[in-house]
Amino acid sequence: DVKVTQSSRYLVKRTGEKVFLECVQDMDHENMFWYRQDPGLGLRLIYFSYDVKMKEKGDIPEGYSVSREKKERFSLILESASTNQTSMYLCASRTSGANTGELFFGEGSRLTVL
Amino acid sequence: AQTVTQSQPEMSVQEAETVTLSCTYDTSENNYYLFWYKQPPSRQMILVIRQEAYKQQNATENRFSVNFQKAAKSFSLKISDSQLGDTAMYFCAFMKVPNSGYALNFGKGTSLLVTP
Repeated sequence: DVKVTQSSRYLVKRTGEKVFLECVQDMDHENMFWYRQDPGLGLRLIYFSYDVKMKEKGDIPEGYSVSREKKERFSLILESASTNQTSMYLCASRTSGANTGELFFGEGSRLTVL
Repeated sequence: AQTVTQSQPEMSVQEAETVTLSCTYDTSENNYYLFWYKQPPSRQMILVIRQEAYKQQNATENRFSVNFQKAAKSFSLKISDSQLGDTAMYFCAFMKVPNSGYALNFGKGTSLLVTP
């Protein structure tokens, strides 16, 4: 059974703290993604990675960075958390190449910044 | 950039009835995929159905089917014989092909409530 695991389901942080959100997939997928989900705004792409050590900005990268040192792990970093980064964060992965593009999602990490 | 529009923020349907969720998209691409994803309350997002733009035949997965109108850039989801477990957020998504590295663009979602 395919698995995308996000390390924390719920986090509460203070403004200015550095926050790490971890995502691990066990499907040997090349592509990994971080989305942010907010009510009324749907899912917005923050960053994605199509290979180890490779990254591309999505639609809303400001205030975020990512790290992909190993194929199975994709980390989202908030260098200095702000209240407007309170949100649900979804990690997803997908194989590359000729395929149907289906994304496999983790359960999400709900971050509250006070 | 591709945009995906879901014009119905919330919908409600009675159990066993049929409901249709709307989705339109804007693109200049000719080759792409369209998806409907389902996110049950407090659970992870899963794929419901997908459609390749080059296929004229509408995709069907059990009680779920789509009405794909390429010229109109419309991609609606029909749920037949609705069940309580269909209560969820439904997201329409677009992906251009070739897809290596390309992410999916999602709509804002439709919250569907199935009532007894």
